[in-house]
Amino acid sequence: EPEVTQTPSHQVTQMGQEVILRCVPISNHLYFYWYRQILGQKVEFLVSFYNNEISEKSEIFDDQFSVERPDGSNFTLKIRSTKLEDSAMYFCASSEGGPNEKLFFGSGTQLSVL
Amino acid sequence: DAKTTQPNSMESNEEEPVHLPCNHSTISGTDYIHWYRQLPSQGPEYVIHGLTSNVNNRMASLAIAEDRKSSTLILHRATLRDAAVYYCIRVTGANNLFFGTGTRLTVIP
Repeated sequence: EPEVTQTPSHQVTQMGQEVILRCVPISNHLYFYWYRQILGQKVEFLVSFYNNEISEKSEIFDDQFSVERPDGSNFTLKIRSTKLEDSAMYFCASSEGGPNEKLFFGSGTQLSVL
Repeated sequence: DAKTTQPNSMESNEEEPVHLPCNHSTISGTDYIHWYRQLPSQGPEYVIHGLTSNVNNRMASLAIAEDRKSSTLILHRATLRDAAVYYCIRVTGANNLFFGTGTRLTVIP
């Protein structure tokens, strides 16, 4: 079965630094998503992306966050100035036809902000 | 906001069927019910989804009540690999998936 690939699997950064989390969605998918999960808590929606623009974003997704599909295959999440509370597992997902279709999730990037 | 209610935890014996309930009493006519699960240290994984009638796939069955205010995910024969948190999510129109706290399923050997 096709997979969503995320890199790196672990990222350690200093507070205030910029990080870019990378995802390669499934090739024929058109909808892309980022979620995060703080240790021991529920999976939280961050943003959805379709047709090269953000479809929806949550309150978590403030001005420090941005997403981009730079080359037609990668989908990135950038955090400009990381805070301690950004430490979490970040999951990328993609779907063929929107949120009412099956979402495929990657295995996540564990971000640790020190 | 998943707008669903699930028990926090359930247990099942290995190789027995498991019925995971979900209440969604405020569901509207066009809302789909999706089920995902999250195995330890992994990303969420799609299980099944449906609108009105019961659905079956290789992983599970989804039984939706006639009034659609509740549904049940059925694992026909639980294995140790089915131990996970199971999420019942109501998807409204083009809105995105919002996860609740789910049901933690423990499978006893």
